[in-house]
Amino acid sequence: GAGVSQTPSNKVTEKGKYVELRCDPISGHTALYWYRQSLGQGPEFLIYFQGTGAADDSGLPNDRFFAVRPEGSVSTLKIQRTERGDSAVYLCASSPSGAAYEQYFGPGTRLTVT
Amino acid sequence: EDQVTQSPEALRLQEGESSSLNCSYTVSGLRGLFWYRQDPGKGPEFLFTLYSAGEEKEKERLKATLTKKESFLHITAPKPEDSATYLCAVRTTGNQFYFGTGTSLTVIP
Repeated sequence: GAGVSQTPSNKVTEKGKYVELRCDPISGHTALYWYRQSLGQGPEFLIYFQGTGAADDSGLPNDRFFAVRPEGSVSTLKIQRTERGDSAVYLCASSPSGAAYEQYFGPGTRLTVT
Repeated sequence: EDQVTQSPEALRLQEGESSSLNCSYTVSGLRGLFWYRQDPGKGPEFLFTLYSAGEEKEKERLKATLTKKESFLHITAPKPEDSATYLCAVRTTGNQFYFGTGTSLTVIP
């Protein structure tokens, strides 16, 4: 079946602009995660959804970052007033049920803030 | 402080030359340890989950083991297609997820 998909694959934006990154998880997966990965680093946890609700948003760096998953499937990561330091690859992953299971990652969205 | 450390940062092997990658962790409580493979420009690909010390998992030329302080990913007779970055991650009892910085493996034909 289809894996996790993310759109866009690349996004270039100017400093101060607003961006939305979309994630389509594997069908039937109830858990969804967002990570941020900088060059040469491992993924950094941002937020975890179980169903429609954010079970853990402790990784969001500040209040410019927000994520939603209104129907328990597709999720959108929203970044306001982007800064150059936000440039990274944003990865989404989904998991069959809860946080105990392995996560299946999408290809990521490469965000560049100029 | 919860922490995951992988070593070496980079490893070059001749085809057929077996070796091991290390993942050491310091966490308040471990719920699971995960190994992933990541190719350039792609998201991590799941390999193994280990839950308790003494557990072992195998897949083709890869074998993952777990102790109370670290995990090893053993690569037996690697091939050039095994070249990738291998990432280790832990889930804590507090439901926090931490990744290491990875080991970049290059297998030379």
